[in-house]
Amino acid sequence: SQQGEEDPQALSIQEGENATMNCSYKTSINNLQWYRQNSGRGLVHLILIRSNEREKHSGRLRVTLDTSKKSSSLLITASRAADTASYFCATQGGSEKLVFGKGMKLTVNP
Amino acid sequence: ETGVTQTPRHLVMGMTNKKSLKCEQHLGHNAMYWYKQSAKKPLELMFVYNFKEQTENNSVPSRFSPECPNSSHLFLHLHTLQPEDSALYLCASSQGREMDEQFFGPGTRLTVL
Repeated sequence: SQQGEEDPQALSIQEGENATMNCSYKTSINNLQWYRQNSGRGLVHLILIRSNEREKHSGRLRVTLDTSKKSSSLLITASRAADTASYFCATQGGSEKLVFGKGMKLTVNP
Repeated sequence: ETGVTQTPRHLVMGMTNKKSLKCEQHLGHNAMYWYKQSAKKPLELMFVYNFKEQTENNSVPSRFSPECPNSSHLFLHLHTLQPEDSALYLCASSQGREMDEQFFGPGTRLTVL
């Protein structure tokens, strides 16, 4: 399965600190995406990184992709209480299927 | 908001009821998806429609019946569900099928008694 797996499963930090989340997957991919989900709501797309890209930035978000290690990391800098949510990585291979990990819960304390 | 709406937001039904979930996207996308999200399990893809044609049925039981009358609307018809079908049902859309980000609706929280 190409299912991504986030690590750690839960992270609690103070406002202003950086948060790093990791994702590992098993098979070759076309792209890897990160999503955020606030409690009981739909997922919101954060950033997409293609297999030929190594790093991408979007505002306070920085994503890296290492295809040789089959891993990705999401860094949120200068975290805010509003960043409290569950974060999912999702991988897309040769079809339209987007395969999600179980997610990890980030808590940013004010 | 994401441009994808779902109704109802909450639904409680008995095992003998028949109900439908509705999804509408206002983004001009061509592909639409149904996902099931249960506690402590990965998001499960149920169905994929591309240009109104079903392109994926991820071994979903027949008590779930999708319908896609046009590229903007997607339904999930429910009948004789089981308590283990209680979950958050999410609809999503994307411009095309591959290499695209997906835009999610807020979900329908379904409880089967």
